[in-house]
Amino acid sequence: RKEVEQDPGPFNVPEGATVAFNCTYSNSASQSFFWYRQDCRKEPKLLMSVYSSGNEDGRFTAQLNRASQYISLLIRDSKLSDSATYLCAFKAAGNKLTFGGGTRVLVKP
Amino acid sequence: DTGVSQDPRHKITKRGQNVTFRCDPISEHNRLYWYRQTLGQGPEFLTYFQNEAQLEKSRLLSDRFSAERPKGSFSTLEIQRTEQGDSAMYLCASSSQDEAFFGQGTRLTVV
Repeated sequence: RKEVEQDPGPFNVPEGATVAFNCTYSNSASQSFFWYRQDCRKEPKLLMSVYSSGNEDGRFTAQLNRASQYISLLIRDSKLSDSATYLCAFKAAGNKLTFGGGTRVLVKP
Repeated sequence: DTGVSQDPRHKITKRGQNVTFRCDPISEHNRLYWYRQTLGQGPEFLTYFQNEAQLEKSRLLSDRFSAERPKGSFSTLEIQRTEQGDSAMYLCASSSQDEAFFGQGTRLTVV
């Protein structure tokens, strides 16, 4: 089993709609979780950290489910500019940051 | 400080040549990571430093790859005897706490 798994997509989303996707991890010792956004041929940019209690940043909501070992990202009121690849990442003890393969989101007019 | 800086941004090299990339992390970030990314894949962990100590190196990394961070500030990644399969984006990230921030990467093409 891969350490981190993501549905590669693409998720085709009408502008204004809501989209959500998950990232599962196999290392139960994982301590910190993150979502990154990556545009084509650019570097990943930190979107948000994922806290145990869940967190929200504008139209973006991230949640952590430790029992089922996954994190989720929900995007409300999708904008054309939200089109990107969304990478999940986690850290276990030792601070190594491990990434998933990314979920591609395409927001269409 | 404008963030993590990587140099060069692009490198084209002939198979068999050695290449070296540089990464300047965000000031006072004690942790520095190197990743490799190919099209359609997520960043693949290569190695990680805390200050000048190399704490972890991927088992996937061949002996042709070596990284240093001699004074705990900038880091270099060297690839010896490059192969076509080394063509990728090489990303550097730094962090001081949990959150890591990436440089723009060095795109390597081996011909």
